[in-house]
Amino acid sequence: ELKVEQNPLFLSMQEGKNYTIYCNYSTTSDRLYWYRQDPGKSLESLFVLLSNGAVKQEGRLMASLDTKARLSTLHITAAVHDLSATYFCAAGRWDGTASKLTFGTGTRLQVTL
Amino acid sequence: DTEVTQTPKHLVMGMTNKKSLKCEQHMGHRAMYWYKQKAKKPPELMFVYSYEKLSINESVPSRFSPECPNSSLLNLHLHALQPEDSALYLCASSHLVRLAGIYHYEQYFGPGTRLTVT
Repeated sequence: ELKVEQNPLFLSMQEGKNYTIYCNYSTTSDRLYWYRQDPGKSLESLFVLLSNGAVKQEGRLMASLDTKARLSTLHITAAVHDLSATYFCAAGRWDGTASKLTFGTGTRLQVTL
Repeated sequence: DTEVTQTPKHLVMGMTNKKSLKCEQHMGHRAMYWYKQKAKKPPELMFVYSYEKLSINESVPSRFSPECPNSSLLNLHLHALQPEDSALYLCASSHLVRLAGIYHYEQYFGPGTRLTVT
């Protein structure tokens, strides 16, 4: 059974500082995804990581994947208030009949002035 | 059209009611999903339909009954629910995408239905 863990669960960030969220998964996974969720809203896709060593950047967010360590990281550079949200990683796996996503526990980010 | 729509946005129902949630997409995706998300928790997969056939049922209680009448529509029929079933129900659809020479299934999520069982 594929399990996905994230840490920390909660991150209080000061504006302008850098932070990293870690995502570990338990068994081989084809794909690694990062999503953002604002309170009461749906999931917004941020990054898709498909191979070992993949690195994607969008604005102040950068995601990377190390398939040998079964680890993905989401790095936040110079945090700003509008990054406050919950971030989920999800590992994708082909089940034989369909693609399944297993989500991590989520990291709630709160950016303070 | 690049979105997944869900109706209703909010639903309050009693434990003896029967109601249905509806999900629709017109992107030609052939896989559709139901997820349940409790407050401050990650989404949990409930059902997957692939080419209108149920391909994954994650041991969901029978009071939840999915239906896929056609390739664009996915329903979730609810009957005799319990208060602990109150949650955000998310629908998603996916298609096969090739990115940098690698294939993956990109899932698109709908806005969700906030269900409260009283």
